Amino acid sequence: AQSVAQPEDQVNVAEGNPLTVKCTYSVSGNPYLFWYVQYPNRGLQFLLKYITGDNLVKGSYGFEAEFNKSQTSFHLKKPSALVSDSALYFCAVREYNNDMRFGAGTRLTVKP
Amino acid sequence: EAQVTQNPRYLITVTGKKLTVTCSQNMNHEYMSWYRQDPGLGLRQIYYSMNVEVTDKGDVPEGYKVSRKEKRNFPLILESPSPNQTSLYFCASGQTGRDQPQHFGDGTRLSIL
Repeated sequence: AQSVAQPEDQVNVAEGNPLTVKCTYSVSGNPYLFWYVQYPNRGLQFLLKYITGDNLVKGSYGFEAEFNKSQTSFHLKKPSALVSDSALYFCAVREYNNDMRFGAGTRLTVKP
Repeated sequence: EAQVTQNPRYLITVTGKKLTVTCSQNMNHEYMSWYRQDPGLGLRQIYYSMNVEVTDKGDVPEGYKVSRKEKRNFPLILESPSPNQTSLYFCASGQTGRDQPQHFGDGTRLSIL
């Protein structure tokens, strides 16, 4: 079965600094990878996806992610963090049978 | 407004008392799914449905039932809830296709005493 791993439970950054939330994947074949964000008391919101093509994908709220096949990674990035970016972030992979498998989540805290 | 609506948002109940969590979407999506979210485990898929009358087990289906009689509704049924089913539950929907993102409801927090 395909899977993703988020090696960091918590990421802390200062406002205005770049942020990276890490994700590694284990798949057979071409990976269909997604990032979602969860704000308190809300459901997950789609940020961006990688299916094929350019390794750098851009998404909502200024986020982008870099797909790296040799390192089997799909890290989420933003050049300048905002306090409002503080949330729980999930990486996910979509299986051939449409099962969606999520990582354990990374809590991002951006401090003023 | 396009949305996935879950009810109830919060429920405290007792072991063995049957309950149903409703889920409805207004986007005409064929694909719908249920997840549970537990600390340190992320989201785990319980059941999903590719279309009306078509349902399949996810990773953690034990103790749950679902039905898909209409395209817009996908209720989650706990016939005999137990304390280990205390969790945060999310319903999601999306267009058919492996590359399609899912739209999530705001969650239902269940406490089984």
